[in-house]
Amino acid sequence: EVQLVESGGGLVQPGGSLRLSCAASGFTFSSYSMNWVRQAPGKGLEWVSYISGSSNVIYDADSVKGRFTISRDNAKNSLYLQMSSLSADDTAVYFCARVGRDMTDAYDIWGQGTMVTVSS
Amino acid sequence: QSALTQPASVSGSPGQSITISCTGTSSDVGGYDFVSWYQQHPGKAPKLLIYDVTKRPSGLSNRFSGSKSGNTASLTISGLQAEDEADYYCSSYTSTSVLFGGGTKLTVL
Repeated sequence: EVQLVESGGGLVQPGGSLRLSCAASGFTFSSYSMNWVRQAPGKGLEWVSYISGSSNVIYDADSVKGRFTISRDNAKNSLYLQMSSLSADDTAVYFCARVGRDMTDAYDIWGQGTMVTVSS
Repeated sequence: QSALTQPASVSGSPGQSITISCTGTSSDVGGYDFVSWYQQHPGKAPKLLIYDVTKRPSGLSNRFSGSKSGNTASLTISGLQAEDEADYYCSSYTSTSVLFGGGTKLTVL
């Protein structure tokens, strides 16, 4: 079964850091580009970051540029999001999502999400 | 870049058809044929309905269809069913990012 499972969410203080992980199974992970998409409580979806299969192409939303870093380990079938300088605006459910070709493609597989709460 | 514009809510009765619009600019919706639509039930992950403006993933009901005219894309759901009640989001590629719409809540009366 094709599956994505996020982990690493939790409560963090403003200014703090957190690392999210996304474990992939059921498909050849290295052949697919991956994304992080977030959703603040009661709000819509917001694209966060994109990484190509070989990690040679990375894009970040302006709202997280310089604070968040997307990476992947194809040997471990895992995607990561290192988040720093967190603020209340970063409070959201974070989803990892797979795309088939490149950043033009749609997100065909999503994880269940992991909640990040930034609060003192 | 601002989010794509969707109506906050739409409604319809079982068996009817509804259309949700998604308005952007020539830099996103109007500039590329890379518009997608997602369905999200409360507490669940989004589910892909339409990609590349008009294409449906394998196995998805043909009750869902997509189209585009200029800077506005549309999702049409025909033969409304109770389980279609959910939030719907459009998205568009923009050359260096991806924009989502604000979401539309569909109520099946």
